[in-house]
Amino acid sequence: NAGVTQTPKFQVLKTGQSMTLQCAQDMNHNSMYWYRQDPGMGLRLIYYSASEGTTDKGEVPNGYNVSRLNKREFSLRLESAAPSQTSVYFCASSGRGPRWFFGPGTRLTVL
Amino acid sequence: GESVGLHLPTLSVQEGDNSIINCAYSNSASDYFIWYKQESGKGPQFIIDIRSNMDKRQGQRVTVLLNKTVKHLSLQIAATQPGDSAVYFCAENMGGATNKLIFGTGTLLAVQP
Repeated sequence: NAGVTQTPKFQVLKTGQSMTLQCAQDMNHNSMYWYRQDPGMGLRLIYYSASEGTTDKGEVPNGYNVSRLNKREFSLRLESAAPSQTSVYFCASSGRGPRWFFGPGTRLTVL
Repeated sequence: GESVGLHLPTLSVQEGDNSIINCAYSNSASDYFIWYKQESGKGPQFIIDIRSNMDKRQGQRVTVLLNKTVKHLSLQIAATQPGDSAVYFCAENMGGATNKLIFGTGTLLAVQP
């Protein structure tokens, strides 16, 4: 099993550009999540999907949209990137119980 | 302690000593409390969890203590090794239909050889 995979690993955008971060999991988990991590900080929840077909806002949803494409895939879209969105983005998934599995992260810089 | 901006609380220990990392949580309704380890350039990795109806749980070289009276969680690492150097986060999970995981700000553990 690959676990949780994310693409791309690195990305540089100019202010106003758009992009989609991709995430996939092969553990048949119902729930998937997008977090952002700023330097020296903890992870903050952007959006989550408790099951296929549902999505909900987390702590910091402004400027982002998500799509739960199917049970495996959960994408995060930045429609008009801003420098404040420079961060490391982590996707995670969970099944029953408290264990979340995290991807390796996407390092995004917005100039 | 709590971190502000870019300054993570740091715990520096000698190799072989025991480490204790502390965390304060805010939500009394959380079902689970979980410790994660994050090495540089990687995603968080699950270490151990404890349910809200427990006070203590032991794993391999790690022990988590939960004090619900003062909303305090700690992670004890026995015989700390250089490979334990990382940022450690506590997280709370309310479970149920929402099943969200909310993270604390983290502590940097630096193991001196």
